[in-house]
Amino acid sequence: GDSVTQMEGPVTLSEEAFLTINCTYTATGYPSLFWYVQYPGEGLQLLLKATKADDKGSNKGFEATYRKETTSFHLEKGSVQVSDSAVYFCALSQAGRRALTFGSGTRLQVQP
Amino acid sequence: EAQVTQNPRYLITVTGKKLTVTCSQNMNHEYMSWYRQDPGLGLRQIYYSMNVEVTDKGDVPEGYKVSRKEKRNFPLILESPSPNQTSLYFCASSPRFGRGGETQYFGPGTRLLVL
Repeated sequence: GDSVTQMEGPVTLSEEAFLTINCTYTATGYPSLFWYVQYPGEGLQLLLKATKADDKGSNKGFEATYRKETTSFHLEKGSVQVSDSAVYFCALSQAGRRALTFGSGTRLQVQP
Repeated sequence: EAQVTQNPRYLITVTGKKLTVTCSQNMNHEYMSWYRQDPGLGLRQIYYSMNVEVTDKGDVPEGYKVSRKEKRNFPLILESPSPNQTSLYFCASSPRFGRGGETQYFGPGTRLLVL
């Protein structure tokens, strides 16, 4: 079946550092890929998504590119802020499947 | 404000005492779903509903029931809770789902502890 693998956390960075959170997937066909973010005490919210190969999703300074050749969707941000501290989930969806498949989540802690 | 609401947000109960977690959305979404979040496992789907009176099992449905009598509401029922159902639960909704690429909107979560 489909699966999503994320790098384990926590990831601890200083403010203004460069961020990469790795995400790779296993799926048949052409899934859509997502990054969701969960701030402390809140539900998940969509951060960005890409629905086909080579698409780049971007939002709030975060970016991720759908790489079919490496089955990856790594999340990047050039300069993180303390307010980016959260748990980040990579996920995929497939046409005909009634659920998102989530990775295990990566906690990001940004220190001032 | 467009939102998904859940109640209660926190719940402590004892083994075997029936409970219901409510979920409501005000966006007229057809699709609704329940997930549970456990450390190291991400989110796993419990049940989903494609529309009123249409529900189906997700990946981890054992010990749970749902109903969809109205479009906006999708309660999660634990008839006889057990400690292994201690978890963080999220309700989610979407205008439709299953074609790929649709965004899901999540509620704030319900943290359940079963003693």
